[in-house]
Amino acid sequence: GENVEQHPSTLSVQEGDSAVIKCTYSDSASNYFPWYKQELGKRPQLIIDIRSNVGEKKDQRIAVTLNKTAKHFSLHITETQPEDSAVYFCAASRGSYIPTFGRGTSLIVHP
Amino acid sequence: DTAVSQTPKYLVTQMGNDKSIKCEQNLGHDTMYWYKQDSKKFLKIMFSYNNKELIINETVPNRFSPKSPDKAHLNLHINSLELGDSAVYFCASSPQAGGITEAFFGQGTRLTVV
Repeated sequence: GENVEQHPSTLSVQEGDSAVIKCTYSDSASNYFPWYKQELGKRPQLIIDIRSNVGEKKDQRIAVTLNKTAKHFSLHITETQPEDSAVYFCAASRGSYIPTFGRGTSLIVHP
Repeated sequence: DTAVSQTPKYLVTQMGNDKSIKCEQNLGHDTMYWYKQDSKKFLKIMFSYNNKELIINETVPNRFSPKSPDKAHLNLHINSLELGDSAVYFCASSPQAGGITEAFFGQGTRLTVV
């Protein structure tokens, strides 16, 4: 089955800095890679996703890159703000398989 | 108009009791899931139902039994609760079986077993 590794488990940055969270996956057939943000006490919500036919996707201050050869994908947040503080989860899936989640990264943005 | 709603939001109960958590989605999705999130925030899949049929059960103890009366509802019944069952349980749904589309999560049920 799919195995998703996510690093780092905790990331602390100053407001305005960039943050990068990295994930690797094991199943080369995986073709869908979503990222979820979970604020304290709230539900996980999709913030951005990428499919295997695309190498990069941007949405304002967030971007995701995918390297299929190396089987890794990353979330980039620029100009971080305190409201970006949350737990971020990556996931990988294909076809009818249930998504496999990474173990999460706790991002702390200090004002 | 909440897309995925689960009740109750908080549940405190004693060891050995039986409890249920209800989940409903009004998105017309075919697939629903139950996830368990432990204190370390790890999201672990428990069950997935596609059009009322169980399609996965990730080695969850048989004290946990999902019930889906129709594709808009997936309830979770837990027998003989144990301390280790304390966690946040999330219901989720997606348009079709599998993970090639976004999953929509409910607000979670924080279960505390004392």
